[in-house]
Amino acid sequence: EVQLVESGGGLVKPGGSLRLSCAASGFTFSNAWMSWVRQAPGKGLEWVGRIKTKTDGGTTDYAAPVKGRFTISRDDSKNTLNLQMNSLKTEDTAVYYCTTYGGHCSGGFCYYYFHGLDVWGQGTTVTVSS
Amino acid sequence: QSALTQPASVSGSPGQSITISCTGSSSDVGAYNYVSWYQQHPGKAPKLMISEVSNRPSGVSYRFSGSKSGNTASLTISGLQAEDEADYYCISYAVTNTLVFGGGTKLTVL
Repeated sequence: EVQLVESGGGLVKPGGSLRLSCAASGFTFSNAWMSWVRQAPGKGLEWVGRIKTKTDGGTTDYAAPVKGRFTISRDDSKNTLNLQMNSLKTEDTAVYYCTTYGGHCSGGFCYYYFHGLDVWGQGTTVTVSS
Repeated sequence: QSALTQPASVSGSPGQSITISCTGSSSDVGAYNYVSWYQQHPGKAPKLMISEVSNRPSGVSYRFSGSKSGNTASLTISGLQAEDEADYYCISYAVTNTLVFGGGTKLTVL
């Protein structure tokens, strides 16, 4: 089964840091671009950023509100995606979802959805409050 | 304020068809055929329903279809069913090499 499981959420004070992780299984993680999306309470979805595969350069792109504060990384040996969040603000309070980006390969088949977010985790909640 | 504009809510009766619009600009929706649509039930993670304007992933009902004209993309749901009641979001790839999102549309099945 293709699955993403986020962890690391919690309560943090403004200005603090938090590191989220996302464990991937059921697909070839090293071949998948990955991204983070967040959703503030009662609000819509918001893109956080994306990381390409090492084959494609491993580069990252971020949404303007988090650029310079958040860092996305990946550990292909552990099938894990990370999101390091620094200088947190109250407006960063949200459920954070890990997603595949553009498709994935599983069971010998590859599914391509260009610039689509095809597999989602269940989310982890981050609350920034004093 | 979201980069893409969606109606806050739409409604329809079972069996009817509804269309949700997603209006962007020549820098996102109008620039590429990379608009995707997501369904989100309360307390659940979003689910990809349409990619690349009109591509329906395996397992998604044929009742869901997508289209685009200029800077506006649309999601049509035909033969409305109670389980279609959810929030729907559009997302587009943009010239800035980022994704831009719509604010979401709440679909009510009457």
